[in-house]
Amino acid sequence: SQQGEEDPQALSIQEGENATMNCSYKTSINNLQWYRQNSGRGLVHLILIRSNEREKHSGRLRVTLDTSKKSSSLLITASRAADTASYFCAATQGYNKLIFGAGTRLAVHP
Amino acid sequence: DVKVTQSSRYLVKRTGEKVFLECVQDMDHENMFWYRQDPGLGLRLIYFSYDVKMKEKGDIPEGYSVSREKKERFSLILESASTNQTSMYLCASRPRGLDYGYTFGSGTRLTVV
Repeated sequence: SQQGEEDPQALSIQEGENATMNCSYKTSINNLQWYRQNSGRGLVHLILIRSNEREKHSGRLRVTLDTSKKSSSLLITASRAADTASYFCAATQGYNKLIFGAGTRLAVHP
Repeated sequence: DVKVTQSSRYLVKRTGEKVFLECVQDMDHENMFWYRQDPGLGLRLIYFSYDVKMKEKGDIPEGYSVSREKKERFSLILESASTNQTSMYLCASRPRGLDYGYTFGSGTRLTVV
């Protein structure tokens, strides 16, 4: 069963614009993570936010977490063509279950 | 550069064959995982292991088994491959402790004909 659901399913923007992706989840979590996947390759871990944190930054990435609404958002600022990829949120349930959403496909056009 | 290595990038097998997917990590991680990824369904957890010889079922273990005889290696076994097991298989690992991200391999695209 999927824990996270991303919104939108697909996003198309111009270079330099910001990209915002949202994620909702169903049950209580220990942390929430965001991953990137380039066309048919493995996933790359981007950022992790703990359940007691509300916001976290890493370079051009900003993640927020609202546990009362069971939602998170990923903001990529000043996007580049190289950011074109699929982005997945994943919620840690219990100790060893990381449950993924279906992902957002981001296309950044030069 | 730390990594998770999956033995095959592409694999084509016949229905009924026994299939072994191998995964090796060089980071001394305790936890290892096997996921499958299908369009529209996202990543689904098949099995995971938190120590040598230890394993637990994920959400979709039917038709699969696993083996972890050494800490660095986690094998996924399709006992009798079927066409509905055609998928991208992803192996991952992470250290002991809750707040760590997973390191994924590049994936094995398995086609069962």
